[in-house]
Amino acid sequence: DTGVSQDPRHKITKRGQNVTFRCDPISEHNRLYWYRQTLGQGPEFLTYFQNEAQLEKSRLLSDRFSAERPKGSFSTLEIQRTEQGDSAMYLCASRPQGNYGYTFGSGTRLTVV
Amino acid sequence: AQSVTQLDSQVPVFEEAPVELRCNYSSSVSVYLFWYVQYPNQGLQLLLKYLSGSTLVKGINGFEAEFNKSQTSFHLRKPSVHISDTAEYFCAVSGVEGGSEKLVFGKGTKLTVNP
Repeated sequence: DTGVSQDPRHKITKRGQNVTFRCDPISEHNRLYWYRQTLGQGPEFLTYFQNEAQLEKSRLLSDRFSAERPKGSFSTLEIQRTEQGDSAMYLCASRPQGNYGYTFGSGTRLTVV
Repeated sequence: AQSVTQLDSQVPVFEEAPVELRCNYSSSVSVYLFWYVQYPNQGLQLLLKYLSGSTLVKGINGFEAEFNKSQTSFHLRKPSVHISDTAEYFCAVSGVEGGSEKLVFGKGTKLTVNP
């Protein structure tokens, strides 16, 4: 499968717990993006990487959120001390430099109870 | 900064009827424009994109869109819809490479095709 893979597909966690999501982009794609989508809304940008460098972060990304892409391949998004407002679909996308064919993964749906 | 307005949150149509989903954008710099489709509990699939060249862009599944710079619009059209086109459609804008490269999405239009 050469698509963008996200793991897990679903995560239910108790408020206050930490969670980590993983995204495996298409191998030759050097750009990787994280988005959050709540019910009835369009995806909202969180952050993006060019290779291992995190180039832009949204104000939505509070200090409880951190994203990494240590070797310029897969990426992780961690949420510390989860809150009910963090419940959303977290989408990952990737694309190669010079090509605007973004490919999205199927997302990780987080439910904070 | 870029922004996108999708003028209709819901569009109901009958099967085989034409449909237009409207999108307007705002940007102070050159942009690229996109339409994505999302089926329930799935990620987004690219329908079409405008980067440069011809203002009429043809995409997958019989969809097309027209870039109108003076109107700052990028409306999506299909001459005859099918039940399987029922989904949420998102218009998005992106800055050019080297600038603000993130995709900025509208709030979406839910297209419902009725038999």
